[in-house]
Amino acid sequence: EAGVVQSPRYKIIEKKQPVAFWCNPISGHNTLYWYRQNLGQGPELLIRYENEEAVDDSQLPKDRFSAERLKGVDSTLKIQPAELGDSAVYLCASSLVAVRTEAFFGQGTRLTVV
Amino acid sequence: GDSVTQMEGPVTLSEEAFLTINCTYTATGYPSLFWYVQYPGEGLQLLLKATKADDKGSNKGFEATYRKETTSFHLEKGSVQVSDSAVYFCASESGGGADGLTFGKGTHLIIQP
Repeated sequence: EAGVVQSPRYKIIEKKQPVAFWCNPISGHNTLYWYRQNLGQGPELLIRYENEEAVDDSQLPKDRFSAERLKGVDSTLKIQPAELGDSAVYLCASSLVAVRTEAFFGQGTRLTVV
Repeated sequence: GDSVTQMEGPVTLSEEAFLTINCTYTATGYPSLFWYVQYPGEGLQLLLKATKADDKGSNKGFEATYRKETTSFHLEKGSVQVSDSAVYFCASESGGGADGLTFGKGTHLIIQP
């Protein structure tokens, strides 16, 4: 069974440019998370979806970040415009609604803003 | 909100040595506790978990016991191998998953042959 798939793996952009990350969760997993991991730190939750509904986006910087999960499957996370401080690894994870405590992570997208 | 504190690395050990990585947490209520591992070039993987006090999680020779009285979930292994070299993250989860995972900063473990 395929795990959580993220793309791209790496992205380098200039500041003020837009960028988007894509995530395909494990089939049948209704809960999807986006985390951000700064260098030397643990991941921090940005947003959580239950199916296509964003049920917790309190940590998402809404002035420049947006996310969507159409049809309750794939999800995209967008930053516009990017700032130098957005350089980090962006992780997607998914879990079964009934077993929320076991999250499966993708390999992440490493974003570098120059 | 929840917070997790784990010992800072890198931790360097010789093969077959005993491993302990300390982890303490603060949380409202009774969180579930986890250890995740990240091998070089790979994504985070669940190593083990415990969902209530005195539970012991175990996997691949690693163990951790949920200690409510000391708010701790220390990771141990009796004899480490070079293949255990990775970054280990302690994490807590309150609200049955509704709040996502709260992670520690991670501990880089290096095992020398």
